[in-house]
Amino acid sequence: GAGVSQSPRYKVAKRGQDVALRCDPISGHVSLFWYQQALGQGPEFLTYFQNEAQLDKSGLPSDRFFAERPEGSVSTLKIQRTQQEDSAVYLCASSLAGGAVSYEQYFGPGTRLTVT
Amino acid sequence: DAKTTQPPSMDCAEGRAANLPCNHSTISGNEYVYWYRQIHSQGPQYIIHGLKNNETNEMASLIITEDRKSSTLILPHATLRDTAVYYCIVRLKAAGNKLTFGGGTRVLVKP
Repeated sequence: GAGVSQSPRYKVAKRGQDVALRCDPISGHVSLFWYQQALGQGPEFLTYFQNEAQLDKSGLPSDRFFAERPEGSVSTLKIQRTQQEDSAVYLCASSLAGGAVSYEQYFGPGTRLTVT
Repeated sequence: DAKTTQPPSMDCAEGRAANLPCNHSTISGNEYVYWYRQIHSQGPQYIIHGLKNNETNEMASLIITEDRKSSTLILPHATLRDTAVYYCIVRLKAAGNKLTFGGGTRVLVKP
């Protein structure tokens, strides 16, 4: 079946521009995660949704980062006034989870953001 | 989540078993050991997880020591497509529990 998809795959932004990154999770997956991966590093957690509720945003690096999942399916990560240190791969993952049960996370291919 | 320690890199020969070690000496009783891998330019991929018993699936086997302070991921017959960074992660099996990735082990499978 279809996996997690992300768009665009590549994004170049000039410093100061706003960007929006889209994630389409696997259909029916309750949980959705965003991670940021700098070059040569492991992914780092940004935020977590259970359905439309954003239950954890402890990893968002600044108030320029904002994520939403208004209907509990597609999610958008928005970065305002991009800066060079925002250059990274942004990964989305979804899992079939609810209540106290957790399942493995399925990752999308990521969006590579380059801020010039 | 408990911290894990992995060797930064290792090579293995195509067709041979690859044994990837992971130390997690501060693991608590209800934390699971998860393994993910990340092939170049792709998102991480789930491999296997376990609590205290050894586990096997179509991709790999996971051997956890009796004291649970370390584990080994075994790729029984490595192929060139197994070249990737392998991450050992210890976490609670709870909804919304994020994955905390360390540096991982960069595995290069050579022909």
